[in-house]
Amino acid sequence: QLRLQESGPGLVKPPETLSLTCTVSGDSMSSSFYSWGWVRQPPGKGLEWIGTIDYIGSTYYNSSLNSRVTISVDPSKNHFSLWLRSVTATDTAVYYCARCVMGVASYFDSWGQGTLVSVSS
Amino acid sequence: EIVLTQSPGTLSLSPGERATLSCRAGQSVSSSYVAWYQEKPGQAPRLLIYATSTRATGIPDRFSGSGSGTDFTLTISRLAPEDFAVYYCQQYADSLWTFGQGTKVEIK
Repeated sequence: QLRLQESGPGLVKPPETLSLTCTVSGDSMSSSFYSWGWVRQPPGKGLEWIGTIDYIGSTYYNSSLNSRVTISVDPSKNHFSLWLRSVTATDTAVYYCARCVMGVASYFDSWGQGTLVSVSS
Repeated sequence: EIVLTQSPGTLSLSPGERATLSCRAGQSVSSSYVAWYQEKPGQAPRLLIYATSTRATGIPDRFSGSGSGTDFTLTISRLAPEDFAVYYCQQYADSLWTFGQGTKVEIK
């Protein structure tokens, strides 16, 4: 059974870099059928797509975060990572990693439990 | 970037009633790339519907999706106590993803 687990600091000081890792277990990350993504949810607000990375390492980012975000993948270690630079209080959110099914239909079929990252000095 | 607008923001209904949730896109989207998620407090989002109308594994048949072009709908035929939650639509186009702002279904 596929499982995704986010890990990383729960507190980041502005304007440092937020760094999270998503460890995938129960399946290989090398399939062309899937991409891997990050979604966040600020307290009391809705879901915001951050970005995704596909099986060959091509990345796609939300234009509102594009200049500050990097996603990378290491299939050999079965994990992918998120870096968000120059954080401010508005980056405080629950961060989810998720698997994206790609093909004739595209959707997020499996999610991590989420990790709260607070940005505060 | 395609903007998704969900309505209403909050739906107040009683168990057993029918819920109709709307998701309108700022431009036409492929029905293959529209999905719906349910979110409960403290839990990750759960996939309900993909490709506009296909239920995900294990999703009860009281959940159904429909639509095309710019207008999509999630219907819950008879609300069960566990269905009171927030629902999000999502679309995928040109390698970019967007979510609607959510509709909260609350107990009346």
